[in-house]
Amino acid sequence: IVLTQSPATLSLSPGQRATLSCRASQSISDYLVWYQQKPGQAPRLLIYDATRRATGIPARFSGSGFGRDFSLTISSLEPEDFAVYYCQQRNNWQWTFGQGTKVEIK
Amino acid sequence: EVQLLESGGGLVQIGGSLRLSCVVSGFTFENFAVSWLRQVPGKGLEWVSSISGSGSSTYYADSVKGRFIISRDNSKNTLYLQMDSMRADDTAVYYCVRSSAYYADYWGQGTLVTASS
Repeated sequence: IVLTQSPATLSLSPGQRATLSCRASQSISDYLVWYQQKPGQAPRLLIYDATRRATGIPARFSGSGFGRDFSLTISSLEPEDFAVYYCQQRNNWQWTFGQGTKVEIK
Repeated sequence: EVQLLESGGGLVQIGGSLRLSCVVSGFTFENFAVSWLRQVPGKGLEWVSSISGSGSSTYYADSVKGRFIISRDNSKNTLYLQMDSMRADDTAVYYCVRSSAYYADYWGQGTLVTASS
């Protein structure tokens, strides 16, 4: 299963709303997670089961979608949210990742 | 506090071998599957291998099947990745992760492996 993320880069200002997309090549139900990665750091789990926030993740992060189309929304960008975001799924113990969306400061 | 600490990375010759280790703490190791993921610097993430809590089931990406072996020692809270027949495209930062269901809920800081001639 291939995951395609769009856009590759999102240029926004702090306080703006960010919407990131992840499309699967076939239905994956709600087995979709989102990670955030900052430079020089390991990724951090944000969202699992498409819509559930991981422990300690602020409420401004939300996930939606089912089947093939998924979104990650950051309702109001904070300075610390500028990073790269990856989606990931598992099919028969084969994990695959999207290529990432970079959210950069405009 | 959940912690995962990788070690064993470094420079290895193409065709050579390297073994990575990951010592974990802060959770009951045998109750969780654990996995290795990797990332070429500046590029995306790739799943490498996973192992069940008991160690009885293992899974591999096609890119490493037959060359890498994942194992664990639950008495030592340690995960391993034996990497043989290394190739240039195995060069990456390797992350040890705790696998909750189908995703990584905790990550180590990573260890850099460079395969070069």
